[in-house]
Amino acid sequence: AQKVTQAQTEISVVEKEDVTLDCVYETRDTTYYLFWYKQPPSGELVFLIRRNSFDEQNEISGRYSWNFQKSTSSFNFTITASQVVDSAVYFCALSESGGSQGNLIFGKGTKLSVKP
Amino acid sequence: GAVVSQHPSWVICKSGTSVKIECRSLDFQATTMFWYRQFPKQSLMLMATSNEGSKATYEQGVEKDKFLINHASLTLSTLTVTSAHPEDSSFYICSARDLSSGREKLFFGSGTQLSVL
Repeated sequence: AQKVTQAQTEISVVEKEDVTLDCVYETRDTTYYLFWYKQPPSGELVFLIRRNSFDEQNEISGRYSWNFQKSTSSFNFTITASQVVDSAVYFCALSESGGSQGNLIFGKGTKLSVKP
Repeated sequence: GAVVSQHPSWVICKSGTSVKIECRSLDFQATTMFWYRQFPKQSLMLMATSNEGSKATYEQGVEKDKFLINHASLTLSTLTVTSAHPEDSSFYICSARDLSSGREKLFFGSGTQLSVL
């Protein structure tokens, strides 16, 4: 069965701290895709990254970085030097349908609060 | 700016009434749109896949007669919650698939908070 677990319900940090959001997934497929989305208070989901199961290379984009470990079925997201604008709910998601973002299984999300 | 417009942002209605939510792709054609439901502090759950010109595909457990989906044009999908009840109160969010660049992109609307009294 497909499942995405984000064990951290809420995290609170002070600005400039680094923070890692955990994501653990379950799937029986060998080909799958993982995503991270940001949901700010305004409600819309903002796409952050998509990674396929064959690419375990870690990725860095500015202050964001992602660590994909197939051995532990984890796809963790780290924000370096956090800022108040990073405050949002972050969702990790899994897709087995050829990477289509439509058929996504979402985790319950982690609410990140960055205090000044 | 937003590329998917969802309207209304919030709606309060009486039990038994119907509510229509619109999802528009603003600068691309979307043959496929998706409708999700999100309860407080919960994840987004896919309700249905809306296909332009054909019937929507509903996820298991979602009542198709309760949640009517119409995708009559390439830029508009509507979700109508019929005979709404308090348990239908939730945050509904749509997304639209953009394939115009040759690579799939998914854009989300800003959501609709439905409160049924």
